[in-house]
Amino acid sequence: SQQGEEDPQALSIQEGENATMNCSYKTSINNLQWYRQNSGRGLVHLILIRSNEREKHSGRLRVTLDTSKKSSSLLITASRAADTASYFCATPEDSGGYQKVTFGTGTKLQVIP
Amino acid sequence: AAGVIQSPRHLIKEKRETATLKCYPIPRHDTVYWYQQGPGQDPQFLISFYEKMQSDKGSIPDRFSAQQFSDYHSELNMSSLELGDSALYFCASSFRQGSTEAFFGQGTRLTVV
Repeated sequence: SQQGEEDPQALSIQEGENATMNCSYKTSINNLQWYRQNSGRGLVHLILIRSNEREKHSGRLRVTLDTSKKSSSLLITASRAADTASYFCATPEDSGGYQKVTFGTGTKLQVIP
Repeated sequence: AAGVIQSPRHLIKEKRETATLKCYPIPRHDTVYWYQQGPGQDPQFLISFYEKMQSDKGSIPDRFSAQQFSDYHSELNMSSLELGDSALYFCASSFRQGSTEAFFGQGTRLTVV
């Protein structure tokens, strides 16, 4: 199963509303990352939150991390049509001393103008 | 700022042909990751390199091989292409120390016809 699993898998909201996406993971992490992907395009790094942080803000983005529950949430406030994209959480895994980044299943966000 | 560069951006090949995808990491990054994303699918980890050595291997077919060169650029070689290899191939780079985020290239869209 995926290291990171987002829910909901799809979300449709009106422009101006807030969008909240959640991510759960299984193993211990030292950071968690959120990425955005417009349809058929590259992955864009949004924000990284470290395991010793509980909340982080970047513009209209707010990320929380609860290491006891192994979960994170991404909140986009005052959404815009341009926020329509897929959002992935990603967790680095240690593998024999090296790291690889594993993605969750993604949340497809549609913001209706 | 310099980003991860992938080439080519688009590639069309016929079945059973060979393709080579290139990735140029951000300067001073020592780790390169390759991901495959099929239509409507999540990015799947293929393989990673740290300091020119393979550091981890995911779901990479035996028909594919990759290497990282002395200048840290990486190439993904794909032989005996199949229709199912049509996908977006992403490369990402990171600096291993300090648990930094992985920065992604825009991807190479491979279409096998």
